[in-house]
Amino acid sequence: AQSVSQHNHHVILSEAASLELGCNYSYGGTVNLFWYVQYPGQHLQLLLKYFSGDPLVKGIKGFEAEFIKSKFSFNLRKPSVQWSDTAEYFCAVITGGSYIPTFGRGTSLIVHP
Amino acid sequence: DAGVIQSPRHEVTEMGQEVTLRCKPISGHNSLFWYRQTMMRGLELLIYFNNNVPIDDSGMPEDRFSAKMPNASFSTLKIQPSEPRDSAVYFCASSPPPTGPNTEAFFGQGTRLTVV
Repeated sequence: AQSVSQHNHHVILSEAASLELGCNYSYGGTVNLFWYVQYPGQHLQLLLKYFSGDPLVKGIKGFEAEFIKSKFSFNLRKPSVQWSDTAEYFCAVITGGSYIPTFGRGTSLIVHP
Repeated sequence: DAGVIQSPRHEVTEMGQEVTLRCKPISGHNSLFWYRQTMMRGLELLIYFNNNVPIDDSGMPEDRFSAKMPNASFSTLKIQPSEPRDSAVYFCASSPPPTGPNTEAFFGQGTRLTVV
């Protein structure tokens, strides 16, 4: 079965710092990849997704992610974070033979103003 | 579209009581998921329905948990009897038929369950 690893469980940054959150998955076939964000007390919302084509995907609020197939990775980046980016971030994967998103444990991001 | 609608938003119940969580997926979506979120285990898939049929219920913790989807617009997750360790946020999510790059899951607001 596929799995998703998010290595950073907690990240604390100051405003304007750059962000990179790691995500690795274990599956050798075709994958669809997602990053979701969960603001405090709210539901998960999609930040960006990769299905095919350009491995550099741009999402909402200045976020982007790069799919590196050889590394089984889909890291999330943002050049300059804001206090309002404080949230939990989840990486998810849907593999070729399944319709079920498998989520990583999540990374809690705190941005200090 | 109103999105995925879950009710109640908050539920506090005593141990041993029956709890029923409700979900209305987005119209036209044919996949429905129930997830449980806890600090210790993150987001865990409980059950997956496709076209109202349970396809994967391997994540359902035990017989105390049951889920139904009597039609395309309604699903329930029932816990009977409830226990304190069931305290968590339960999310319902739905997704459209995977005919293209629109297979993302859309989440409801969640039900925060506290069993005392």
